[in-house]
Amino acid sequence: NAGVTQTPKFQVLKTGQSMTLQCAQDMNHEYMSWYRQDPGMGLRLIHYSVGAGITDQGEVPNGYNVSRSTTEDFPLRLLSAAPSQTSVYFCASSYGGASRGYTFGSGTRLTVV
Amino acid sequence: ILNVEQSPQSLHVQEGDSTNFTCSFPSSNFYALHWYRWETAKSPEALFVMTLNGDEKKKGRISATLNTKEGYSYLYIKGSQPEDSATYLCAFGPMYSSASKIIFGSGTRLSIRP
Repeated sequence: NAGVTQTPKFQVLKTGQSMTLQCAQDMNHEYMSWYRQDPGMGLRLIHYSVGAGITDQGEVPNGYNVSRSTTEDFPLRLLSAAPSQTSVYFCASSYGGASRGYTFGSGTRLTVV
Repeated sequence: ILNVEQSPQSLHVQEGDSTNFTCSFPSSNFYALHWYRWETAKSPEALFVMTLNGDEKKKGRISATLNTKEGYSYLYIKGSQPEDSATYLCAFGPMYSSASKIIFGSGTRLSIRP
């Protein structure tokens, strides 16, 4: 049972490049979320999904796109990377949404130069 | 904008001492309150999920209480040990948005002195 798998673990991008952060879970969880973690700011919600085909914006959605074509996968796309997107990104999933605890992936450390 | 506040930001405690910290959240549209433990270089791990006013949860030496009417939750650690050193996050789940999203506070960083 792998849980929540994020790839890559580390990435360096140049300003203006695009990329996709991958997130996959094998627990058949309906609810999935993306967070970014910046010093002194805790975890901020970027986008979330309540099931395949359904996504919504969180607190800081600008510059990011998501899609949820399957229950297992929830990729996060950076459209045109900016230095302000340098952060650690966490994907999380849950069986019951806010009524149950979320399981987190190990994170992706992204640097935009 | 949902405001979830945790205090203090950081805490240094002697091994063996007990400690507690606070999470404040909007008292309206409450659905759930989560506590997570986040060790350095690891991912956050869920400690408790509470949904009812007056809920009390316990796991070993760690316990939590919930007051939804006034919008706060306390996390208590009894007899702190070095392995308790971590950042403790709370997260508020509002009733709307399909009861699916949770918004995190910025955490309380706990350091235990041997």
